[in-house]
Amino acid sequence: GQNIDQPTEMTATEGAIVQINCTYQTSGFNGLFWYQQHAGEAPTFLSYNVLDGLEEKGRFSSFLSRSKGYSYLLLKELQMKDSASYLCAVHNNAGNMLTFGGGTRLMVKP
Amino acid sequence: DAMVIQNPRYQVTQFGKPVTLSCSQTLNHNVMYWYQQKSSQAPKLLFHYYDKDFNNEADTPDNFQSRRPNTSFCFLDIRSPGLGDAAMYLCATSRRGGDYEQYFGPGTRLTVT
Repeated sequence: GQNIDQPTEMTATEGAIVQINCTYQTSGFNGLFWYQQHAGEAPTFLSYNVLDGLEEKGRFSSFLSRSKGYSYLLLKELQMKDSASYLCAVHNNAGNMLTFGGGTRLMVKP
Repeated sequence: DAMVIQNPRYQVTQFGKPVTLSCSQTLNHNVMYWYQQKSSQAPKLLFHYYDKDFNNEADTPDNFQSRRPNTSFCFLDIRSPGLGDAAMYLCATSRRGGDYEQYFGPGTRLTVT
């Protein structure tokens, strides 16, 4: 089976940096996605990591360590609109689907 | 501009009364997925189609069925909704398999009375 762990909730201050961690256990790992989901809305794609290392995309960066079964999403210069749930999702080679973690609800305070 | 469209956005049905949720896409993607998401939980995959090939998750109840009459449309049928089926239902598409980004529709929030 697969096991994906993320913190349930985090709070950070506007303008700060926050790191959201995701650990996973799976066989046949292919890659890891991060999605953002605002309350009552659909998830939207943020990043996809296949190889080890850091991928930077504007204020958001995502890191993967395949050997450690670990990823994080780094959000810089936090804005109020970044308050949302952040879902990590693992793709393994068993098929076409993703397995989502429970999501981390981030609250950004002024 | 809408790429993955779900109708209706809000659906109220009665306990035991069949309901159908619809999804359409303008992306011409091969794969279409249906997820169930309950409050503060992760999206749970119910099933997906790769072209016409239907793939059911092992723990998806028989009460849930799906149809994909063509590339653009996919339907979720709930034959006898129970109170526990109240949730957000998300449709998503991807060009090919799991290593491609999934594009989600806005979801249909189902209420069962």
